[in-house]
Parts: sequence; C-alpha cells; structure tokens
Amino acid sequence: GAVVSQHPSRVICKSGTSVKIECRSLDFQATTMFWYRQFPKQSLMLMATSNEGSKATYEQGVEKDKFLINHASLTLSTLTVTSAHPEDSSFYICSASDRETEAFFGQGTRLTVV
Amino acid sequence: GQNIDQPTEMTATEGAIVQINCTYQTSGFNGLFWYQQHAGEAPTFLSYNVLDGLEEKGRFSSFLSRSKGYSYLLLKELQMKDSASYLCAVKDSNYQLIWGAGTKLIIKP
Repeated sequence: GAVVSQHPSRVICKSGTSVKIECRSLDFQATTMFWYRQFPKQSLMLMATSNEGSKATYEQGVEKDKFLINHASLTLSTLTVTSAHPEDSSFYICSASDRETEAFFGQGTRLTVV
Repeated sequence: GQNIDQPTEMTATEGAIVQINCTYQTSGFNGLFWYQQHAGEAPTFLSYNVLDGLEEKGRFSSFLSRSKGYSYLLLKELQMKDSASYLCAVKDSNYQLIWGAGTKLIIKP
C-alpha cells in the first residue's frame, strides 16, 4: 500500500506557542488529505478536508484561524496549531487519498501542550 | 445529510465470532471501507467493498448490501489482540470519505 509520512510523531510545546505538523504522501499524488483529532478513548474526529491548491474545508466547531491547513502540493499538507493551549493536547492524524484508493494514514502526532 | 451509524461498543469472548454492523446514508456511493484502530495508533486498512456480497480475508470478512445501505464486518476466532476500535467509512459521490464514529470491541478471555 501507499505510504503516508507524518512528522513529528510526538511534540511537547509551551502554551501560547505554535506547532506545525507535516503530512507527506510518499509514493502517490494525494488530491485530498484529511486531518483528524482524537482524544483519549474517543473516536477519530474529522477536523478538516484539505484539497490541493484550494482552501481547506473545516468541520463545524473547528476554528480555521487556530488550525491552519496548507496543501500547497499533491504530496504535502501541513497543519499548524496556533497559540496552542493545554486543551489542544491530543492525537492528530492525517490521511491521504485519491479517487481509486482507500485512505492511507500517517503515524499520528501526539501533541502535549504544557 | 450524510450519516454513518455503527454501535458504540461491543463485547465478545475470545475464540468466538462477532459481527459489527454499519448502516449509511450518503450522497452517492463509491465504496465502503473498514479500518482497525488500536489505542494511540493510526487506523489500519482491513477491507474494501464496492459490489454487493461478501469479501473474505482470513479471519475477517466484510459484507455489503448497497440497496439496504448496510455493511458488516465479521471477525472469527477472536483473539485478545482484536480488541480495538473498528471504523466504517464510505466514499461518497465526490470521492470524499465519510467516517462512522467507530465501534470499540472488547474481547474477554
């Protein structure tokens, strides 16, 4: 199957700082990438859908000014958590997909804001 | 609106069989997927159905009925390592994946 690389796998940051998470599709061109957040013992929650070359579509309740998504190429999408606070601590996962394939997931990023 | 329903939690016994159901209402259909997710890890792909019928892959099988908007994932000879969340997802007419909330499966000895 295709490979999606997500970096970093773990990050600890101070409250008020920003954190950037990268998601790369290594061996195929991903027209669409998805960003999810998952709190402990809860299911995946879709945050936003990122389409190459256009603005991301955010799910209801997700602040687009706080969670900045950039999908500048067919192989790279980034999620920046701006002015992070402890309540933003979570497991963030990206996935990439094209029309003919299933979604391939990155390894996930464990964000801890202290 | 688009909607995918699956049970929140199920419990089964090691060595037994369990069926996890998924019903969906989406704008168009371009395939249904099942994923497994262990706590703290990313989901892993299990199966894909686009035509009606049963797809078997080892201990896991997945069934689809497009006319009923229904699928199930069947797990046989359950092992303790099968304790995980199982996610149902459908690709709609725009090839966007619509996700269910997931079913937490608890396996007891």
